[in-house]
Amino acid sequence: KQEVTQIPAALSVPEGENLVLNCSFTDSAIYNLQWFRQDPGKGLTSLLLIQSSQREQTSGRLNASLDKSSGRSTLYIAASQPGDSATYLCAVGSGNTPLVFGKGTRLSVIA
Amino acid sequence: ETGVTQSPTHLIKTRGQQVTLRCSSQSGHNTVSWYQQALGQGPQFIFQYYREEENGRGNFPPRFSGLQFPNYSSELNVNALELDDSALYLCASSLPLAGGLSTDTQYFGPGTRLTVL
Repeated sequence: KQEVTQIPAALSVPEGENLVLNCSFTDSAIYNLQWFRQDPGKGLTSLLLIQSSQREQTSGRLNASLDKSSGRSTLYIAASQPGDSATYLCAVGSGNTPLVFGKGTRLSVIA
Repeated sequence: ETGVTQSPTHLIKTRGQQVTLRCSSQSGHNTVSWYQQALGQGPQFIFQYYREEENGRGNFPPRFSGLQFPNYSSELNVNALELDDSALYLCASSLPLAGGLSTDTQYFGPGTRLTVL
């Protein structure tokens, strides 16, 4: 059974810092991995999707990497801004099974 | 292009009642998935519908049921509500993968916050 863990559970940084969010999964036979952003009480916004054959994806100040063999992904946020404050969720897709989510990392960027 | 919409936004019910939540898929998407997200947890998969048929189900009891309509909109029905059913219910639409559950990019709606008293 696939399990997804995100560390840390919460993170507080000053504005302008670069930061890394971590995601690990137990079964490396994945189809893809997605990072989502969730604002309080709201739905999920897809940030980046990495296919199993890819090593990383970039969008603006965000960069996500994937190491299938070690069961890890990282989300790098450059030059953080207060508007980046949200919960970031990692989800793993395995083709014939539904997305499995971690519990998320709650990020606060302090101005 | 319209995004995924859900109604209602908030709902309060009492234990034992029944509830219906609604979802309209993103234009062109014929696959819809429903998730339950308890406070402080990640979303948990309830079931997925593709072309009006259930195409996969998570570890939820039969009192959680669904429908998908020809226009790809969808309903989630929960009977005999329990206190633990209080959660944010998320709907996501996507394009299907051949031969399996769709785990391609999923577009989520804003969710329905259900409170069971």
